[in-house]
Amino acid sequence: GAGVSQTPSNKVTEKGKYVELRCDPISGHTALYWYRQSLGQGPEFLIYFQGTGAADDSGLPNDRFFAVRPEGSVSTLKIQRTERGDSAVYLCASSLGGLDTEAFFGQGTRLTVV
Amino acid sequence: RKEVEQDPGPFNVPEGATVAFNCTYSNSASQSFFWYRQDCRKEPKLLMSVYSSGNEDGRFTAQLNRASQYISLLIRDSKLSDSATYLCVVRSQGNLIFGKGTKLSVKP
Repeated sequence: GAGVSQTPSNKVTEKGKYVELRCDPISGHTALYWYRQSLGQGPEFLIYFQGTGAADDSGLPNDRFFAVRPEGSVSTLKIQRTERGDSAVYLCASSLGGLDTEAFFGQGTRLTVV
Repeated sequence: RKEVEQDPGPFNVPEGATVAFNCTYSNSASQSFFWYRQDCRKEPKLLMSVYSSGNEDGRFTAQLNRASQYISLLIRDSKLSDSATYLCVVRSQGNLIFGKGTKLSVKP
């Protein structure tokens, strides 16, 4: 299919380890968003890319979190020294970037830090 | 104050009922507005955009009041399949900010 693809779908890691979460947006979508969602909560904004650059990274909770989108397509969310509180579903979305354009979501990566 | 606020519910209604959800946003420079639907353990999906003139899609009606920074969603003749979490979404400077969502449960 041509939807947003996120890998892995599930990730279990030990506290203190490094993880990378990947997002393949819909082809041609210039805007890419990362969110984190805990049970019973709405998606919490992390970072937004327009093309290759981070247009807004104000949602990243601390310097353990970092995201890149080097060629303006695939994006990787990187988490260093993972903590149990990082456990959540990490959602990626992409859109054409216009004001009224729909954002399409991937199915998310469920991260569990043990 | 959170950027986008919604009543978390849950709203438990019988089939056929009319239910209304409300949402307020804090950034007066916000540019566009949406309602998304999220089923349990699934990703959010666009339900409808919200325009100042108000817009309707079948049983769903969305309204925007820019002066009050208030958005609403009305669902008429509720179906069992409408059970989900409804997320209010605001776009500001390109960024998409979500509310916490309002959970709806439609009972037979």
